[in-house]
Amino acid sequence: KAGVTQTPRYLIKTRGQQVTLSCSPISGHRSVSWYQQTPGQGLQFLFEYFSETQRNKGNFPGRFSGRQFSNSRSEMNVSTLELGDSALYLCASSVPDENTGELFFGEGSRLTVL
Amino acid sequence: GQSLEQPSEVTAVEGAIVQINCTYQTSGFYGLSWYQQHDGGAPTFLSYNALDGLEETGRFSSFLSRSDSYGYLLLQELQMKDSASYFCAVDSSYKLIFGSGTRLLVRP
Repeated sequence: KAGVTQTPRYLIKTRGQQVTLSCSPISGHRSVSWYQQTPGQGLQFLFEYFSETQRNKGNFPGRFSGRQFSNSRSEMNVSTLELGDSALYLCASSVPDENTGELFFGEGSRLTVL
Repeated sequence: GQSLEQPSEVTAVEGAIVQINCTYQTSGFYGLSWYQQHDGGAPTFLSYNALDGLEETGRFSSFLSRSDSYGYLLLQELQMKDSASYFCAVDSSYKLIFGSGTRLLVRP
């Protein structure tokens, strides 16, 4: 069974640009969550999607957005990039409503903003 | 608001036992999870406690006290490969809220 796949793995952008990151969850997993991780910080929750609906959203500005497609694949977009957006963006999938507290993470997309 | 507190760094000797504590303050609590993350790697799930008490999985055990909003991860027979960051995470409404992580350094 393939794991969570995130693309691209690495990318460099400049301030003001926008970026789109992609996530393919484990087959059968319909919940996808996104997290931002910066050095010395924990994982900051961005949003969670299930059946193409955003069920929860973290405390990030509106520049951060996401969506989920009918095949459960998800994308997140960051517009008007700022230096502080440089981070590892992690996607995780899970089987919803099982309350096992288990997320399956991808390797992440490392974004550098210059 | 929601917050989780865990020590930033812990050092222990190979073969020893180490306990990583986590206190939380959150609305909407379903359980407490623990994750391990090696440098450059993805977080991986270790354990989950929905009810009070101790859960044991091999060398790792996790404990939860809901009344005290407190949990801990216990690592026994430490090995060098256990050097990593460990995160507690509260299972809330359609999201996991993570602590800032505890960096564990295992010395020979």
